[in-house]
Amino acid sequence: GQNIDQPTEMTATEGAIVQINCTYQTSGFNGLFWYQQHAGEAPTFLSYNVLDGLEEKGRFSSFLSRSKGYSYLLLKELQMKDSASYLCAVRFRINAGNNRKLIWGLGTSLAVNP
Amino acid sequence: GAVVSQHPSRVICKSGTSVKIECRSLDFQATTMFWYRQFPKQSLMLMATSNEGSKATYEQGVEKDKFLINHASLTLSTLTVTSAHPEDSSFYICSARDGTSGGSRDTQYFGPGTRLTVL
Repeated sequence: GQNIDQPTEMTATEGAIVQINCTYQTSGFNGLFWYQQHAGEAPTFLSYNVLDGLEEKGRFSSFLSRSKGYSYLLLKELQMKDSASYLCAVRFRINAGNNRKLIWGLGTSLAVNP
Repeated sequence: GAVVSQHPSRVICKSGTSVKIECRSLDFQATTMFWYRQFPKQSLMLMATSNEGSKATYEQGVEKDKFLINHASLTLSTLTVTSAHPEDSSFYICSARDGTSGGSRDTQYFGPGTRLTVL
């Protein structure tokens, strides 16, 4: 079956670096997304990986290893406003056609302390 | 970036009434929109996939007669919660897939969500 695992909670200090891991088991892998969700708000798109390696976008970077079924989101120079839930989502093909589906992790709640 | 609006942002209604939620893609055409439900401290649960001009595809366990979805145009999808009950109280979020971003990305962009409270 399809499965995503990520830590439930993490705590970090303002100005530091934090790495949020995501492991997945799926067939027909077709891309991995990271979203940020503040309490009471909808998720906002952060990054997309479909090939192995690191994608950097400002203070946020995302890494993917397809052979290991592993990704991480790296947040640098943490700010208080980065306190949020970070959702890992994996897209996979459900058949030989172009039909794809997205499954979501439960999210990692990150608390940034001063 | 792609913008998705959702209306209303918050609704409180009496048990037994129906509530309609609108989802619009403002600066792109979305052939596919998704409706999610999220309970407190839980992950997103996909309810249905809405395709423009065709019937929605519902996830297992989601009653299509209770959650009516209409995707009448490339920029608008609506979700109607019929005969709402207190257990339907939740955060409903729509997303639209921007197929124009090119390649295989097809990123989903989310609306701001609708918090439904059924008394």
